[in-house]
Amino acid sequence: QTVVTQEPSLTVSPGGTVTLTCAFSNGAVTSGYHPNWFQQKPGQAPRALFYSASSRHPWTPARFSASLLGGKAALTLSGVQPEDEADYFCLLYYGGNQRVFGGGTKLTVL
Amino acid sequence: EVQLVESGGGLVQPGGSLRLACSASGFTFSTYEMNWVRQAPGKGLEWLSYISSSGNTIYYADSVKGRFTISRDNAKNSLILQMNSLRAEDTALYYCVRDLFGYTYGFDYWGQGALVTVSS
Repeated sequence: QTVVTQEPSLTVSPGGTVTLTCAFSNGAVTSGYHPNWFQQKPGQAPRALFYSASSRHPWTPARFSASLLGGKAALTLSGVQPEDEADYFCLLYYGGNQRVFGGGTKLTVL
Repeated sequence: EVQLVESGGGLVQPGGSLRLACSASGFTFSTYEMNWVRQAPGKGLEWLSYISSSGNTIYYADSVKGRFTISRDNAKNSLILQMNSLRAEDTALYYCVRDLFGYTYGFDYWGQGALVTVSS
């Protein structure tokens, strides 16, 4: 069974830095899986942040960055703001015709 | 402004059918690939289906293959999800999601979702 694993929850202090990761049961996450990252706040639809591992959308704040790190996809938030408290989901493309989301990370800013 | 507006959600009995629609505006719908994604209450996101811009290429997640059918009407700027043999576990908010343009792998714009409740 294909599973994408994210940290269930993380806590970061305002102004701090945190890295969320996205691991794939099939092996190392590479650029060929075209990792995407999304942010979802309570009661809202998800908002796209990154595609193709590290390409940002025009509306993605500069304090967000994405990369491939140690066989995983990674989303790093630097200088975290209270409004960054949200759920974050990664998405991978695989098998030529499938897409799969990770279970999501609930980020608390405290 | 890109807008995706889902409709057709509601309460349906197990084994029943429902047809969701997504009305697109603010972009040339016929040139974009589209997807359906759902989110069960309090749960994560689940990709369901993809359709190419022409409608000639379609993919499904195993969880809905054989029960759900994606289609589009480019003349009406509309994306459709026909859901049959519905189960309690299909209860979710269903999102219409646009693919990035061209040969770039990713999603960009999301609708606000249509709520489907499967219950007797």
